[in-house]
Amino acid sequence: DAGVIQSPRHEVTEMGQEVTLRCKPISGHDYLFWYRQTMMRGLELLIYFNNNVPIDDSGMPEDRFSAKMPNASFSTLKIQPSEPRDSAVYFCASKETGGVTEAFFGQGTRLTVV
Amino acid sequence: GESVGLHLPTLSVQEGDNSIINCAYSNSASDYFIWYKQESGKGPQFIIDIRSNMDKRQGQRVTVLLNKTVKHLSLQIAATQPGDSAVYFCAENFSSNTGKLIFGQGTTLQVKP
Repeated sequence: DAGVIQSPRHEVTEMGQEVTLRCKPISGHDYLFWYRQTMMRGLELLIYFNNNVPIDDSGMPEDRFSAKMPNASFSTLKIQPSEPRDSAVYFCASKETGGVTEAFFGQGTRLTVV
Repeated sequence: GESVGLHLPTLSVQEGDNSIINCAYSNSASDYFIWYKQESGKGPQFIIDIRSNMDKRQGQRVTVLLNKTVKHLSLQIAATQPGDSAVYFCAENFSSNTGKLIFGQGTTLQVKP
């Protein structure tokens, strides 16, 4: 397996534009996590899914952020409209069922909103 | 102006010395803990894990210690090498029912040759 795949690796967009980040989890993993990493706040959990169902979205900062998982092999994180303070590295991670398993991370998407 | 941000604790060690990185976790009900290593420009990578029914686990050159009384984890790296330079995070699994994984602040390890 190629691991967790995120796209794009880098995204530069203008304030007000819609941004969509994509993630393909490891096949067979049924948990998927979206994290945001900034110097200010470290590594924050935004939302996570189990079997394609959102379980906890309490970390999603505002209504401008939304995430979907239409099937077991694909998830998106959308920001609309984007703002400069959304600039960060966004990571997707997946893990197998059961609590005592580690999560595997993608390489991240570095988002810059100008 | 002055920038405001996380000032990650930094541990600076000489190559060949042992390193100890500490972490305090928040939830006494957490049942599983993981140490991750993050190199510049990459995602966090798994190093070692430990379940809450254990107090010590050893891997290759790494040992994790768990003290549930004070909600404290430590990662010990033996014979630290330049390739160990990275940011290290502890993560706690909030409960086995949810699989929710929360990360600590992180510690920067600098290895001097």
